Amino acid sequence: NAGVMQNPRHLVRRRGQEARLRCSPMKGHSHVYWYRQLPEEGLKFMVYLQKENIIDESGMPKERFSAEFPKEGPSILRIQQVVRGDSAAYFCASSPQSSLMSSYEQYFGPGTRLTVT
Amino acid sequence: GENVEQHPSTLSVQEGDSAVIKCTYSDSASNYFPWYKQELGKRPQLIIDIRSNVGEKKDQRIAVTLNKTAKHFSLHITETQPEDSAVYFCAASTTGRRALTFGSGTRLQVQP
Repeated sequence: NAGVMQNPRHLVRRRGQEARLRCSPMKGHSHVYWYRQLPEEGLKFMVYLQKENIIDESGMPKERFSAEFPKEGPSILRIQQVVRGDSAAYFCASSPQSSLMSSYEQYFGPGTRLTVT
Repeated sequence: GENVEQHPSTLSVQEGDSAVIKCTYSDSASNYFPWYKQELGKRPQLIIDIRSNVGEKKDQRIAVTLNKTAKHFSLHITETQPEDSAVYFCAASTTGRRALTFGSGTRLQVQP
């Protein structure tokens, strides 16, 4: 029973390049969340998606960042024209589709550590 | 929006002692409060959670208490072991808005 999967685990990009981070939720889960963690800091919510829908993007920077969760395939977090301040660990989490309170449990992937040089 | 404050930022205890980490939240509509453990370089792991219709929940050596009136919740770890050493995060969310707002974390060090 595979957990949340993310790839790549480590990504190095030069300033101005694009970064694409992928997340496959746990089997049976249809809700995906992206969080960013700066070194020595807590996790900050970025975006919440369901299949083909962005539900809440209130934590997403207005420029250069976008996210999608297509009908088929993983969720993608895309960062265009990366800058050094984008260097962080990006975690994806998933939860099941249900109206029950248990569906609020979020399980995290191993993260993608982005380094911008 | 929701704001979660967590204390202390670091905590050092002797093996076998108890550890308590406290969090306060600002949004009275928050009703789900999970705790995560994160070891260095690893993913956050959900260790226990509590919902607003419950005042206390226990799972072996860990327990969480919730005081809705005061808007604070706490994590209690008894009989601490060196493998409990990690950073612990509290979080809060509301019905309908599933995004978790995290506290700033507590680095727990259990001295053998």
